[in-house]
Amino acid sequence: GQNIDQPTEMTATEGAIVQINCTYQTSGFNGLFWYQQHAGEAPTFLSYNVLDGLEEKGRFSSFLSRSKGYSYLLLKELQMKDSASYLCAGMDSNYQLIWGAGTKLIIKP
Amino acid sequence: IAGITQAPTSQILAAGRRMTLRCTQDMRHNAMYWYRQDLGLGLRLIHYSNTAGTTGKGEVPDGYSVSRANTDDFPLTLASAVPSQTSVYFCASSAGTGGTDTQYFGPGTRLTVL
Repeated sequence: GQNIDQPTEMTATEGAIVQINCTYQTSGFNGLFWYQQHAGEAPTFLSYNVLDGLEEKGRFSSFLSRSKGYSYLLLKELQMKDSASYLCAGMDSNYQLIWGAGTKLIIKP
Repeated sequence: IAGITQAPTSQILAAGRRMTLRCTQDMRHNAMYWYRQDLGLGLRLIHYSNTAGTTGKGEVPDGYSVSRANTDDFPLTLASAVPSQTSVYFCASSAGTGGTDTQYFGPGTRLTVL
């Protein structure tokens, strides 16, 4: 079966660094996506990885290990506005996204 | 501002009623999708369309139908609503269906079936 696992909730302090992990099992693999979703809003795209390694985009970085079926999203210099849910999604061989339930990130001052 | 619009924003519906959720995009994207999002679950694909005139079934298609008469519009119809269809519905679109084609989401429709 296809499955995406990520922690339900994490708490971090403003200004700190947090890493959100995601493990995936998909039928075939065409990449791993991270989206951000603020409460009551639509998901918005953060990153896409299809090759192993780290992709950096400002305060956000995403890592992929295809051999381990593992990805993480790294958020640096946390700001209160980063309080949101972070959704991990794997793209299968049919180019359909399989979504995790999301990790709710709570930022404390 | 280019993007995806959905209507209505929210709706309370009696069980057994027919309901159409509307979705329109102005980005000339080929592919469009309907998802539902329920607490504690990931987004689940209901139906999709890779290009105008074609549609396909996703993970949870039962009780829903779609049409794609043109590039811009992708309505989702609940023929006879049931309480288990209470959810937040998101429409999304992407330029193509490849791995690098990011999906962009509409603001969502919150549907309650009583």
